[in-house]
Amino acid sequence: AQKVTQAQTEISVVEKEDVTLDCVYETRDTTYYLFWYKQPPSGELVFLIRRNSFDEQNEISGRYSWNFQKSTSSFNFTITASQVVDSAVYFCALSEEAGANNLFFGTGTRLTVIP
Amino acid sequence: DTGVSQDPRHKITKRGQNVTFRCDPISEHNRLYWYRQTLGQGPEFLTYFQNEAQLEKSRLLSDRFSAERPKGSFSTLEIQRTEQGDSAMYLCASSLREGPETQYFGPGTRLLVL
Repeated sequence: AQKVTQAQTEISVVEKEDVTLDCVYETRDTTYYLFWYKQPPSGELVFLIRRNSFDEQNEISGRYSWNFQKSTSSFNFTITASQVVDSAVYFCALSEEAGANNLFFGTGTRLTVIP
Repeated sequence: DTGVSQDPRHKITKRGQNVTFRCDPISEHNRLYWYRQTLGQGPEFLTYFQNEAQLEKSRLLSDRFSAERPKGSFSTLEIQRTEQGDSAMYLCASSLREGPETQYFGPGTRLLVL
């Protein structure tokens, strides 16, 4: 069965600090996709990144970077030089190629960036 | 290009009443998903459509819930005889094609059942 675990419920950092959000997943599929979404206080889920299971190359986009490691079933998200606008709940999600392709979400990590 | 829209954004109802929510996906997207999110949890899958066909329903979708997507455009989610446990955020998402395409979410409809 598929499962996504975000063990960090809440994290607080001071502005300009780096922060890493952890995500561990379980799946029996050999082909799957991992996502990160941001949910600011307004409530709308904002897509950040999608990775497929065959591409373990790490990715950097501005202050954001992602570390995908199949060996440990992890897909961690790092924000460098955090800003107050980064305060939100961040969700990691898994989609399997077989089936409905719906997203299985973790329980989210609430990030608070203190000015 | 407009995003996914949902209406209403908020709904307060009394237990036992019926409610209906609407979702308008991104115009060229043929897949539409409904999710439910309760406080402190991640969204949970309810059902999805490919064009006008409802292809899968989660066991979370009790028989009081019904969803439609006539003509493969907008979708409605109806909850009959609402219960307090139905209080949640109902999220709609759409994606362009078959397969694990990226899903883009609407702002959600927050339901409170008194």
